Amino acid sequence: DTAVSQTPKYLVTQMGNDKSIKCEQNLGHDTMYWYKQDSKKFLKIMFSYNNKELIINETVPNRFSPKSPDKAHLNLHINSLELGDSAVYFCASSLTSGAPYEQYFGPGTRLTVT
Amino acid sequence: AQSVAQPEDQVNVAEGNPLTVKCTYSVSGNPYLFWYVQYPNRGLQFLLKYITGDNLVKGSYGFEAEFNKSQTSFHLKKPSALVSDSALYFCAVRDAETGTASKLTFGTGTRLQVTL
Repeated sequence: DTAVSQTPKYLVTQMGNDKSIKCEQNLGHDTMYWYKQDSKKFLKIMFSYNNKELIINETVPNRFSPKSPDKAHLNLHINSLELGDSAVYFCASSLTSGAPYEQYFGPGTRLTVT
Repeated sequence: AQSVAQPEDQVNVAEGNPLTVKCTYSVSGNPYLFWYVQYPNRGLQFLLKYITGDNLVKGSYGFEAEFNKSQTSFHLKKPSALVSDSALYFCAVRDAETGTASKLTFGTGTRLQVTL
């Protein structure tokens, strides 16, 4: 009965490869997010979807492409991975983006690019 | 643009003593303010939030925070710290006026170390 789940938990890959991270929430929320946490623990939003519509698209390289097949799922595909992409990626969800609801975070995916 | 400042990288406190983790914010409109905690190798967990109303908000695990509009602060407090409170704490702000596309901006985090 995990609320926000991500797969995989760990991802080790070489530069230039393409990889995907999947996220699912069973909370009935309509808004989902991707965050990147760097090695200094700084947390920054990358994307947000509300009812499958992209509503936040921060300054992120276009090698990163989110996709939301339905309200409960938000995936992140990364092309041509670079060393600087190494980080922990968190998925989160909330009830509605425009209201003051808290976000619920997944356990994170630690991506290491070698 | 909205921003959050957590001026202390680390706060050290002895178990049983009161703790304060500081946070100041900047938004153009009214703020929605949040505190989250991150334990090692885990995702962030919501602790408490201020939306409107009473300036003192109570949250999980005995934590509370006081909203001070004049000082644009939202400090996290606990009357008696536990070793198990040791973790990374994040303050976050959203501008209440910016609608559905508004984003949550996080501070840089404060590591709380509680010792026996």
